[in-house]
Amino acid sequence: AQKVTQAQTEISVVEKEDVTLDCVYETRDTTYYLFWYKQPPSGELVFLIRRNSFDEQNEISGRYSWNFQKSTSSFNFTITASQVVDSAVYFCALSEARSGGGADGLTFGKGTHLIIQP
Amino acid sequence: KAGVTQTPRYLIKTRGQQVTLSCSPISGHRSVSWYQQTPGQGLQFLFEYFSETQRNKGNFPGRFSGRQFSNSRSEMNVSTLELGDSALYLCASRSGGAYNEQFFGPGTRLTVL
Repeated sequence: AQKVTQAQTEISVVEKEDVTLDCVYETRDTTYYLFWYKQPPSGELVFLIRRNSFDEQNEISGRYSWNFQKSTSSFNFTITASQVVDSAVYFCALSEARSGGGADGLTFGKGTHLIIQP
Repeated sequence: KAGVTQTPRYLIKTRGQQVTLSCSPISGHRSVSWYQQTPGQGLQFLFEYFSETQRNKGNFPGRFSGRQFSNSRSEMNVSTLELGDSALYLCASRSGGAYNEQFFGPGTRLTVL
């Protein structure tokens, strides 16, 4: 069965610090998809990034970067020069491909509550 | 393009009642999924509909059901409500295949008294 572990329940840093959110996943499939979502206080989940299991390239988008390592089953997320607006709950999620083009529903980690203090 | 919309946003019911939640996906999206979010269990997958057919189902009792209409709008029904059904119910839509990201609506906050 698939599983996503976000060991950090809550992280608090001061603005402008760099912060890394950890995500470790478990799956038996060779084809799977990884995602990061942000949930601000308003409650709506906001998509940040996706990766498929065959694409281990790291990605940078502005202050955000993601490190995908299949060898350690990790998909970590780093925010550089954090800002107060980055405060939110961040979720890592996994889905496994199914025949016919579908996929299992997303399996989410418990989330990391990130607090950026001014 | 309008995002995923969910109605109602808030709902209060009593134990034993039933409830129907509605979701309108992003235009052109044919896949609609439902998730339950609670403080204890986190985000859990309920089911996915694609072209009016249930394509995937999570591990929830039969009291939870859904359907999808020809215009891709979806409804979720919970019968015989229990206190533990109090949660934020999120709907998400997706275009294309499994690789594509899901876009979430604002959710329906259900409180069961």
